Amino acid sequence: GAGVSQTPSNKVTEKGKYVELRCDPISGHTALYWYRQSLGQGPEFLIYFQGTGAADDSGLPNDRFFAVRPEGSVSTLKIQRTERGDSAVYLCASSLMGGRNAYNEQFFGPGTRLTVL
Amino acid sequence: TQLLEQSPQFLSIQEGENLTVYCNSSSVFSSLQWYRQEPGEGPVLLVTVVTGGEVKKLKRLTFQFGDARKDSSLHITAAQPGDTGLYLCAGDPYSGAGSYQLTFGKGTKLSVIP
Repeated sequence: GAGVSQTPSNKVTEKGKYVELRCDPISGHTALYWYRQSLGQGPEFLIYFQGTGAADDSGLPNDRFFAVRPEGSVSTLKIQRTERGDSAVYLCASSLMGGRNAYNEQFFGPGTRLTVL
Repeated sequence: TQLLEQSPQFLSIQEGENLTVYCNSSSVFSSLQWYRQEPGEGPVLLVTVVTGGEVKKLKRLTFQFGDARKDSSLHITAAQPGDTGLYLCAGDPYSGAGSYQLTFGKGTKLSVIP
């Protein structure tokens, strides 16, 4: 597609449930990033993929969060045993190479708004 | 942790006025990007600055990167209602460890009143 797409656009779940959030990056972009944006804050880094591998997962808050990108394109962010504090907008971004050459210019999707009741 | 402080946090001005928003850090960044975000949307990249002292212009928007690559400013001339949105700066810290995450400020929420 023309841009980064994310599904669903909104997700409401109950505390303790499991959720999956999907990201389709721009075709040909090898680097993919997940960020989380809480109300009144800027996006916070969660995890970065270069191809199929998670090159940097230092931003994942705890082991309830996990992300995969099995074929180097679509990525899924998985959250187990959701908590109310997980409520936020989860943003996905992709970039052409993920390196200094492209100045790391990242293109963002519209986000998934997750609400944990 | 490298932090980016943006100021002001909120700004409400009349159409036609000029404004400047700031992005400051105690850390050096290899590059710095400015994004604009509207409600319900993801951030949209406006510009990337790379060289200390660099100035880039995008129509009525002027971006400057500090000489020491620790701070940046965005100046808007003759603001229009269409400029309304959340302006985010984001730095590429370049730790050299191969991580390309961006560090974002909290943003400046701009409202331009017709």
